[in-house]
Amino acid sequence: AQSVSQHNHHVILSEAASLELGCNYSYGGTVNLFWYVQYPGQHLQLLLKYFSGDPLVKGIKGFEAEFIKSKFSFNLRKPSVQWSDTAEYFCAVFIYNQGGKLIFGQGTELSVKP
Amino acid sequence: DAGVIQSPRHEVTEMGQEVTLRCKPISGHNSLFWYRQTMMRGLELLIYFNNNVPIDDSGMPEDRFSAKMPNASFSTLKIQPSEPRDSAVYFCASIFASGTRRVNEQFFGPGTRLTVL
Repeated sequence: AQSVSQHNHHVILSEAASLELGCNYSYGGTVNLFWYVQYPGQHLQLLLKYFSGDPLVKGIKGFEAEFIKSKFSFNLRKPSVQWSDTAEYFCAVFIYNQGGKLIFGQGTELSVKP
Repeated sequence: DAGVIQSPRHEVTEMGQEVTLRCKPISGHNSLFWYRQTMMRGLELLIYFNNNVPIDDSGMPEDRFSAKMPNASFSTLKIQPSEPRDSAVYFCASIFASGTRRVNEQFFGPGTRLTVL
């Protein structure tokens, strides 16, 4: 069965630290990849997406992610986090099967200490 | 466009009562998804529709849950009878997936916070 796995359930960092959140998926076909962010009390918002082309994609607020097809991975990175990045981050994979569906990882809660 | 619209935003009900959640997807989107989010389980896909047809309802927890999409602009998720463990935030989302294997981002509604006492 298709699945998305996020390695860390909860990450705690100090401001200015670098961030990398892992995401792996299991599906052998064509995929589109997404990272969403959910700030406390809000709904999910798109951070960045990968369709094709350059495997290094840049999103909003200084986030970027790298698609490594051979590793089925799409890790999210940010060189220097801020307190305002405190949120939950979801990796998602869109698979083209039966009309297409988006499969989410379980989420990683990021807490940034000022 | 107003985005994905959900109603009500908050619902408090007593165990055993019927609950109906409503969703209006973004005009032109051809797929609609219902998710449930809890602290324990995170974000779960309950069911999704493509061109108003239910495609995969394997995430629906029990027969107490049912969903319909009578037309392209409206969907409901019904829980009957409701139980305290159904308390969660229920999100509706829509997307346009083209035949050329290209999809735009999935847009989420604000969610309905359901509390079953």
